[in-house]
Amino acid sequence: EDKVVQSPLSLVVHEGDTVTLNCSYEVTNFRSLLWYKQEKKAPTFLFMLTSSGIEKKSGRLSSILDKKELFSILNITATQTGDSAVYLCAVGLYNNNDMRFGAGTRLTVKP
Amino acid sequence: GAVVSQHPSWVICKSGTSVKIECRSLDFQATTMFWYRQFPKQSLMLMATSNEGSKATYEQGVEKDKFLINHASLTLSTLTVTSAHPEDSSFYICSARLAGGSGADTQYFGPGTRLTVL
Repeated sequence: EDKVVQSPLSLVVHEGDTVTLNCSYEVTNFRSLLWYKQEKKAPTFLFMLTSSGIEKKSGRLSSILDKKELFSILNITATQTGDSAVYLCAVGLYNNNDMRFGAGTRLTVKP
Repeated sequence: GAVVSQHPSWVICKSGTSVKIECRSLDFQATTMFWYRQFPKQSLMLMATSNEGSKATYEQGVEKDKFLINHASLTLSTLTVTSAHPEDSSFYICSARLAGGSGADTQYFGPGTRLTVL
């Protein structure tokens, strides 16, 4: 059975802190790993990772994939209250490009 | 570009009635659409994969007779919850994959539909 596990499930930090969110997976037919940010409604796409060791960056967010150890991390530096959201990790599979989602990490950034 | 809409955004219905949710890709064609269900504080669970012009593929444990999916055109898929019960109350999200797209990053999510069954 495919599994995507995120940790921690929730996290409370103060503005300016740096956070690291974790995602580990055990799936067959791995194709890609994706990170999404979900606020009130549908998830918004952040990153897609397919190769190990190559960091993707977008502003204060960055992510990297380790295909040998089967995990990815999402880093957020200098957090702001607007970063408060649920961060979802999903693994894209080769068969029909289905995605399997982790349970998410609920990040709360306090002023 | 790549906007997906859902209608309605929220619906309240009585137990035993059927509810139809529409998912539209507004500015692109989508050969494949996906339907997800999300419970409060939980992740998205894939319910079914819908390919234009063919029958949907349902995930294990999802009743195909209860959750009817129709993908009649390249821009529209519908999910009908038949004989809805309170336990069907949930947040339903669709996503659409760009025709010709091969990666998961070519899936675009709709804003979701909150269904409450009384």
